[in-house]
Amino acid sequence: GAVVSQHPSWVICKSGTSVKIECRSLDFQATTMFWYRQFPKQSLMLMATSNEGSKATYEQGVEKDKFLINHASLTLSTLTVTSAHPEDSSFYICSAPHHGGEETQYFGPGTRLLVL
Amino acid sequence: KQEVTQIPAALSVPEGENLVLNCSFTDSAIYNLQWFRQDPGKGLTSLLLIQSSQREQTSGRLNASLDKSSGRSTLYIAASQPGDSATYLCAVTNSGNTPLVFGKGTRLSVIA
Repeated sequence: GAVVSQHPSWVICKSGTSVKIECRSLDFQATTMFWYRQFPKQSLMLMATSNEGSKATYEQGVEKDKFLINHASLTLSTLTVTSAHPEDSSFYICSAPHHGGEETQYFGPGTRLLVL
Repeated sequence: KQEVTQIPAALSVPEGENLVLNCSFTDSAIYNLQWFRQDPGKGLTSLLLIQSSQREQTSGRLNASLDKSSGRSTLYIAASQPGDSATYLCAVTNSGNTPLVFGKGTRLSVIA
């Protein structure tokens, strides 16, 4: 099946620093990718939709200036958490729709962010 | 706005029991429904995908059913094993190119 990778898988950083997370579709092109966030013992919540060649669309309550999204190519989307604070500590996971024989979405393995 | 509810929130069963996890969604105009497994601190593992035109899907000891008109799906696990212990998430999408809406999950513990 199709594969989506994320890098890094783990990040520990100091408060105030910026963290970049990459999401790549390895064997298919994705004009759209989705970014989700999961706080401990909560479900996945959509943060934003990343669109290749245009601006991302953000869900209500998600600060676009804090969570910068760049969909640089048909296989890469990046999420940058700017000036991270402890409350940004979470599990960030991306997905990409795959329009093959069975249209479905493939998820990356996730990135766990801990801000000290 | 689509909302997904999973019942129960947590479930503990002895090894060998058959069990059913429930998922309901408010907007029946779905494109497909997926069941995922998530182990603690890990990502998602897709278990079963049911297209809106399908009634059920089976994989090994897992069987998922879909009643689109009533907005319900069940995940049946036969002969449960301790290795089945995980959180099971149900998610729906309205098209092949829209994000998934997840339920809060059912945390399953299978006791040896």
